[in-house]
Amino acid sequence: QKEVEQNSGPLSVPEGAIASLNCTYSDRVSQSFFWYRQYSGKSPELIMSIYSNGDKEDGRFTAQLNKASQYVSLLIRDSQPSDSATYLCAVNTNAGKSTFGDGTTLTVKP
Amino acid sequence: SAVISQKPSRDICQRGTSLTIQCQVDSQVTMMFWYRQQPGQSLTLIATANQGSEATYESGFVIDKFPISRPNLTFSTLTVSNMSPEDSSIYLCSGDLLPDTQYFGPGTRLTVL
Repeated sequence: QKEVEQNSGPLSVPEGAIASLNCTYSDRVSQSFFWYRQYSGKSPELIMSIYSNGDKEDGRFTAQLNKASQYVSLLIRDSQPSDSATYLCAVNTNAGKSTFGDGTTLTVKP
Repeated sequence: SAVISQKPSRDICQRGTSLTIQCQVDSQVTMMFWYRQQPGQSLTLIATANQGSEATYESGFVIDKFPISRPNLTFSTLTVSNMSPEDSSIYLCSGDLLPDTQYFGPGTRLTVL
């Protein structure tokens, strides 16, 4: 079992829809969870961090964390073509070191 | 906001040579890491660059192949030694510009012929 698993994708949604990206992790002591967006040919860009159970909203983005289920998700509301990218889930377990999932590629169709 | 830069942004190298990649952060960071990302794949951690001591390498990566320096809290280098075509990849450095949160440099795209 991978330490961090993401839904395999690719994911395609129409413009204006909600995109839902999911991630599970194996290490129960994980404390910090992150979503990065990576455009083709660019480096990962941090878009959300979440540390406690529940929802965290930032503009059109909502991160959801459920530590009991070892599950973290990212919802993108009113998806735009500019949201088309690969989304990476990252989990910090110790020493500030992040473990990344394989990523989910999202395409938002106009 | 703080910035992480890398040099070179890209290079094409011959088999058997070495390349040193520089990572500069414009503010002090506690943690710096080096990653590799091969086309269409996710990030693989190479090592943690420790200030004033030897780097901590992940399984499958060794110091002889990927020597790392970190002379201070804002700068690190990664050398890819005795390169082969299999080393062709994007190399990324990151630093914790916020506690426990990594931010990435723009990456170095390496092609080995």
